[in-house]
Amino acid sequence: EDQVTQSPEALRLQEGESSSLNCSYTVSGLRGLFWYRQDPGKGPEFLFTLYSAGEEKEKERLKATLTKKESFLHITAPKPEDSATYLCAVQVPQGGANNLFFGTGTRLTVIP
Amino acid sequence: EPEVTQTPSHQVTQMGQEVILRCVPISNHLYFYWYRQILGQKVEFLVSFYNNEISEKSEIFDDQFSVERPDGSNFTLKIRSTKLEDSAMYFCASKGDTEAFFGQGTRLTVV
Repeated sequence: EDQVTQSPEALRLQEGESSSLNCSYTVSGLRGLFWYRQDPGKGPEFLFTLYSAGEEKEKERLKATLTKKESFLHITAPKPEDSATYLCAVQVPQGGANNLFFGTGTRLTVIP
Repeated sequence: EPEVTQTPSHQVTQMGQEVILRCVPISNHLYFYWYRQILGQKVEFLVSFYNNEISEKSEIFDDQFSVERPDGSNFTLKIRSTKLEDSAMYFCASKGDTEAFFGQGTRLTVV
């Protein structure tokens, strides 16, 4: 049973065209929701942690938000260097106190 | 900036051989992890390690796998008898108080 579902699977944007990536989760007792960026052949790079509904975090062109069922990663005026796969992961009590369970990611391509 | 370091970056091994993947976590972190990612699939949890012992492991982490922190700095993943389906990127991660930081991975190819 999937605990984390990300959509869309792939997204192509023109440079400057803002959009949002979705991460929905079906876990109870969420301990934390994490966003990572992954470049091809590289390890996940930490972006944000969100712990409670209503929380928002922002970094450069990225803003992450959290509700009780989903998280959004908003990308404002993206640049080609924002092209990457964006991964969402959750920490859940039943999976061990600190382990992460990842979604399949959204592959973002920003076209100049 | 502190980072998690993994070696080798790429390992090719014959089926049935033993491999050891090495990781140097961030020095003041207490939690250590191995994850794997089969090409085109999601990152999957293998094992977590805390206070010199395994704290959690997934179904993937069977008797062929073992982890060790031999000298207080390195953290290793051993696969005793590799199978073709073990081919994947293996990521080490370490965690302090909050988020986990990942290494760049070891690409394991079993032939």
